[in-house]
Amino acid sequence: AQTVTQSQPEMSVQEAETVTLSCTYDTSESDYYLFWYKQPPSRQMILVIRQEAYKQQNATENRFSVNFQKAAKSFSLKISDSQLGDAAMYFCAYRSLFQGAQKLVFGQGTRLTINP
Amino acid sequence: GAVVSQHPSRVICKSGTSVKIECRSLDFQATTMFWYRQFPKQSLMLMATSNEGSKATYEQGVEKDKFLINHASLTLSTLTVTSAHPEDSSFYICSARDIREAFFGQGTRLTVV
Repeated sequence: AQTVTQSQPEMSVQEAETVTLSCTYDTSESDYYLFWYKQPPSRQMILVIRQEAYKQQNATENRFSVNFQKAAKSFSLKISDSQLGDAAMYFCAYRSLFQGAQKLVFGQGTRLTINP
Repeated sequence: GAVVSQHPSRVICKSGTSVKIECRSLDFQATTMFWYRQFPKQSLMLMATSNEGSKATYEQGVEKDKFLINHASLTLSTLTVTSAHPEDSSFYICSARDIREAFFGQGTRLTVV
């Protein structure tokens, strides 16, 4: 079974600075999806960024980018120019590409605090 | 992106009663929906996978007679917590998938008194 590990329970960063959240995963599959989700205090889960494992290019969405290292099974999220609205729980997630395996496997989460 | 609507957002019920939570995909058809439970400051724990027109698949350790899931149409899945007890108090989140990604409902805070 696949597992996702986020080793940083909490992180903090100064507003406008850059922060990187770590995520590692374990799988025997060669093709899969990886995601970062944000859960603000409202608790609504919001997709931040998606990466297909077959793509070598790292995904980018505005201030959010990932460093996908397939061989190392590492998938970190970099947030540039941090804003107060980025404060939230961040969850890394894995999804298999196989037909029947549609569920997301989540990491433990990292609570990100933005200091003004 | 697609919208998943979950109701109610908050519910308080008496111990021993049943509570139904609805999850609707508003602008797409979801053949598969997922139900999660989230304890304070913890990650989402998958409870069950719900497929339209068939029985739900429950994760290990989740009581299927306690947490009844019905996926009657391509846009609606319901979770009924039967004979609720205080230990069932939690935050419940549903998710529906389209071809590319999963979308989440707003969540339901259940308090059993």
